[in-house]
Amino acid sequence: AQSVTQLDSHVSVSEGTPVLLRCNYSSSYSPSLFWYVQHPNKGLQLLLKYTSAATLVKGINGFEAEFKKSETSFHLTKPSAHMSDAAEYFCVVSDPGNTGKLIFGQGTTLQVKP
Amino acid sequence: NAGVTQTPKFQVLKTGQSMTLQCAQDMNHEYMSWYRQDPGMGLRLIHYSVGAGITDQGEVPNGYNVSRSTTEDFPLRLLSAAPSQTSVYFCASSIGSGASTDTQYFGPGTRLTVL
Repeated sequence: AQSVTQLDSHVSVSEGTPVLLRCNYSSSYSPSLFWYVQHPNKGLQLLLKYTSAATLVKGINGFEAEFKKSETSFHLTKPSAHMSDAAEYFCVVSDPGNTGKLIFGQGTTLQVKP
Repeated sequence: NAGVTQTPKFQVLKTGQSMTLQCAQDMNHEYMSWYRQDPGMGLRLIHYSVGAGITDQGEVPNGYNVSRSTTEDFPLRLLSAAPSQTSVYFCASSIGSGASTDTQYFGPGTRLTVL
């Protein structure tokens, strides 16, 4: 069965410093992995996705993630945090069957301090 | 394109009442789904549909019904609301028929409180 674990429920950084949000996955298949962002009282927006092409995936707003099969990780990074990055971030793995089911991590709240 | 739209944005129900959460998309997507979001639990799949006339259960289907009579609409029905159904509900859609690589687009959510 597929699952994801987000290793930090809350991350706090200062504006202009790097962001690292950690995600480990468990999958018996070659997984499709996603990062979604949810700003307060908003819907979910796709940041980036990995579907077995390049292991370093670039997304919107300067975010990127690296798929590491040996470590079963898909950590999200950004070189320099902006105040507008404050939000909740979800690491997601999709079910390999044709169900479209997404399995969400518990979420990481990113706080950006001025 | 409006994308995925949901109505209402907020709703308060009393235990035992029924209601329908509406979801519509104008992107001609085959796949649509409903999730609920509870604190500390991420999102969990309630029901999904891979095309008009086809629906199936997700992870937490109890207490909810769906139907898919058109490609555009995918309403979620609560027949007898319970306090455990207090949650934020998200509708999503994607162009394919549920392939694992498809990108899903989410609506803005409906915040439901059951007293």
